[in-house]
Amino acid sequence: GQQLNQSPQSMFIQEGEDVSMNCTSSSIFNTWLWYKQDPGEGPVLLIALYKAGELTSNGRLTAQFGITRKDSFLNISASIPSDVGIYFCAGQTGGTSGSRLTFGEGTQLTVNP
Amino acid sequence: GAGVSQSPRYKVAKRGQDVALRCDPISGHVSLFWYQQALGQGPEFLTYFQNEAQLDKSGLPSDRFFAERPEGSVSTLKIQRTQQEDSAVYLCASSLLWGGGAAREQFFGPGTRLTVL
Repeated sequence: GQQLNQSPQSMFIQEGEDVSMNCTSSSIFNTWLWYKQDPGEGPVLLIALYKAGELTSNGRLTAQFGITRKDSFLNISASIPSDVGIYFCAGQTGGTSGSRLTFGEGTQLTVNP
Repeated sequence: GAGVSQSPRYKVAKRGQDVALRCDPISGHVSLFWYQQALGQGPEFLTYFQNEAQLDKSGLPSDRFFAERPEGSVSTLKIQRTQQEDSAVYLCASSLLWGGGAAREQFFGPGTRLTVL
């Protein structure tokens, strides 16, 4: 099935470093979302973006909705060990028939103390 | 409970067996979604309900997959004659409303890990 192109696939960083990951698509989305998934759990929403060009922060997380509606990035500043996990971008077209989420392949983040 | 619950958490089936996976959404949530997550991949959409109506089943990979939500709350995903390629985590999500926007946030359950031998 269709998935978004997410990069990088994995990152190994030291505690305190900043992290950046991004997502691109050949299709337009009206909503971009970023999720974190821990082992054995379902994805948990971190940030939702609803307007092209929107820049939104949630604590140490910052995400932007690309102007073309075909891309988004997520930054994590001053990483801490509990940031470890898999991060997924997801796009949504909206409307009754567009409620489904289309996910990227995920970025596995490892933070070394 | 306060969140989406799924049962069983783990299921091992022999090839050819039928399985049924249950999802209890958050009380009052209108929309319910099923996703399939293969190892090392992002979740992929299977099907979507609005109350008891199945509005989109375009993601179901074959006619061996069937989902229902007869009373608009609990949902069951059934897989008949399981195959090894059906091995995956099956995630259920619910949202208060439908479409996009803040009120339509999808809350995910922990998933059922299905292994077909």
